[in-house]
Amino acid sequence: AQRVTQPEKLLSVFKGAPVELKCNYSYSGSPELFWYVQYSRQRLQLLLRHISRESIKGFTADLNKGETSFHLKKPFAQEEDSAMYYCALLRGGYQKVTFGTGTKLQVIP
Amino acid sequence: SAVISQKPSRDICQRGTSLTIQCQVDSQVTMMFWYRQQPGQSLTLIATANQGSEATYESGFVIDKFPISRPNLTFSTLTVSNMSPEDSSIYLCSVLGASEAFFGQGTRLTVV
Repeated sequence: AQRVTQPEKLLSVFKGAPVELKCNYSYSGSPELFWYVQYSRQRLQLLLRHISRESIKGFTADLNKGETSFHLKKPFAQEEDSAMYYCALLRGGYQKVTFGTGTKLQVIP
Repeated sequence: SAVISQKPSRDICQRGTSLTIQCQVDSQVTMMFWYRQQPGQSLTLIATANQGSEATYESGFVIDKFPISRPNLTFSTLTVSNMSPEDSSIYLCSVLGASEAFFGQGTRLTVV
């Protein structure tokens, strides 16, 4: 069965410090992985996906199939990065998304 | 991209009553998804709404409790029936685009 694990419920960092939000997954097929973000009072929205290998708002995430991880990283945290972050896995064929439990990132000024 | 409008945005309901949540998408989609997000927890898929056929429910969710309608390719409703305080949650509508999922703003339901 597919599963997405985000071990940290809350991550607090100081502004300017590096950020790493952890995500591990279990899935028997070829995963498509995403990071979604929910800012205060806004709807859930896509931050980035592993396929595009892009950097959005300074965030990057690399899929490590050996470690079954898809950690989200940013070298210098900004206050506006404070939000809930969800790692998600798209189950190909079934077209369903499995979400992790989310990590609340709090950037301290 | 897809723009999803969901209503109501919030409601406070008496136990034992039912609430119907509406979801409108600005483009035609084959599948629409309904999620529940309980306080402090992740998003849990309730069911997949397919146009022209019965909705497909995930383990732990049943049609009698969460009946779904899907009259056309741009609209769906989710009803939360015979509500109890345990149904207090945020309910989200979602569709899948070519490479990402889009979400409505959610319906915050409080059952008293």
